[in-house]
Amino acid sequence: GQQVMQIPQYQHVQEGEDFTTYCNSSTTLSNIQWYKQRPGGHPVFLIQLVKSGEVKKQKRLTFQFGEAKKNSSLHITATQTTDVGTYFCAGLPRRALTFGSGTRLQVQP
Amino acid sequence: KAGVTQTPRYLIKTRGQQVTLSCSPISGHRSVSWYQQTPGQGLQFLFEYFSETQRNKGNFPGRFSGRQFSNSRSEMNVSTLELGDSALYLCASSLTGDGKNIQYFGAGTRLSVL
Repeated sequence: GQQVMQIPQYQHVQEGEDFTTYCNSSTTLSNIQWYKQRPGGHPVFLIQLVKSGEVKKQKRLTFQFGEAKKNSSLHITATQTTDVGTYFCAGLPRRALTFGSGTRLQVQP
Repeated sequence: KAGVTQTPRYLIKTRGQQVTLSCSPISGHRSVSWYQQTPGQGLQFLFEYFSETQRNKGNFPGRFSGRQFSNSRSEMNVSTLELGDSALYLCASSLTGDGKNIQYFGAGTRLSVL
């Protein structure tokens, strides 16, 4: 079954509001990756976190890897319409990279 | 550098038929992974090939198979198609495929089974 869970499944925000998606694993992950898939597109790599407690920022996006390396989050500050899409986390609980179910973000202008 | 190329982009088949999808990875990448994407099911891992060997396999029936050639190009085959096989099939290439390298996705093949 799915070993990497992601919540929420869907979020609708007004432009300018913040957004957060959470990724949880039942087992320790050696690393976590985040991808974004625009509507009609394919997943595109955003970032990789490797160290326990690691925090990385990309402009308005902040990524965190939990201390126990079992959870991660992506926070977007002041969303824009260009942020629309589905955000996937992907971790390595075993040998194969396992993707979360994704969080679909809709931004109302 | 050219990206990951998947052919064909669209396919329409009927139940019981078989289909072969192709994926050409980025030059120098030795790992190719295949995923099935359906609405509400996210990205389901099918299998991963590295240096012509299947290294990992997801929980899909034996009707789903694949192979990788010496030039790292990969094909995926689905036999005896079922309606539920309608999906977007994505392939992704990476340098070593150990989960620590970036996965570069192709545009996908959208398969419709009637």
